[in-house]
Amino acid sequence: AQSVSQHNHHVILSEAASLELGCNYSYGGTVNLFWYVQYPGQHLQLLLKYFSGDPLVKGIKGFEAEFIKSKFSFNLRKPSVQWSDTAEYFCAVNARGGYQKVTFGTGTKLQVIP
Amino acid sequence: DAGVIQSPRHEVTEMGQEVTLRCKPISGHNSLFWYRQTMMRGLELLIYFNNNVPIDDSGMPEDRFSAKMPNASFSTLKIQPSEPRDSAVYFCASSRTGPPDEQYFGPGTRLTVT
Repeated sequence: AQSVSQHNHHVILSEAASLELGCNYSYGGTVNLFWYVQYPGQHLQLLLKYFSGDPLVKGIKGFEAEFIKSKFSFNLRKPSVQWSDTAEYFCAVNARGGYQKVTFGTGTKLQVIP
Repeated sequence: DAGVIQSPRHEVTEMGQEVTLRCKPISGHNSLFWYRQTMMRGLELLIYFNNNVPIDDSGMPEDRFSAKMPNASFSTLKIQPSEPRDSAVYFCASSRTGPPDEQYFGPGTRLTVT
């Protein structure tokens, strides 16, 4: 069964700082990878996803993530964060094929200080 | 589109009582998911349905939990009897075609069992 680890539970950054949130998954086969975000008072929503092709994926609001197969990682990055990026970020993995469920990590709370 | 609708938004109940959470997925979506979010375990999939049929219920904690989807526009998650350790936020999500398609989450039901 697949699993996901997010090592940073709470991150605090100042505006304009660069962001990198770690995500590692465990699964021996081919996977699809996702980052979801939950802004304060809003629903969880998809930020970006990787299915195949270019391992550098760009999402909404200037976020990007890079799939490094050899490291089983899918870290989320943003060169310059804004106060409005304050949210909880969830990495998720889905093993390809059939009705494979999506497994979420425990989430990272990002707080951006103005 | 109204999005995924969940009710109630908050539920406070006493240990031993039955609790029923409700979800209306987005019209046209054929997959529905129930998740539980806690500080300790993050976002856990409890069960997911495809075309009203339960596909993966391996995350249902124990026999006290049951879920039904009698038609394409309605699902329930029932806990009977409830226990304090069931206190969590319960999310419902739907997607057009099932994993790995994007999941659209509802606002969640915050359950407190005293």
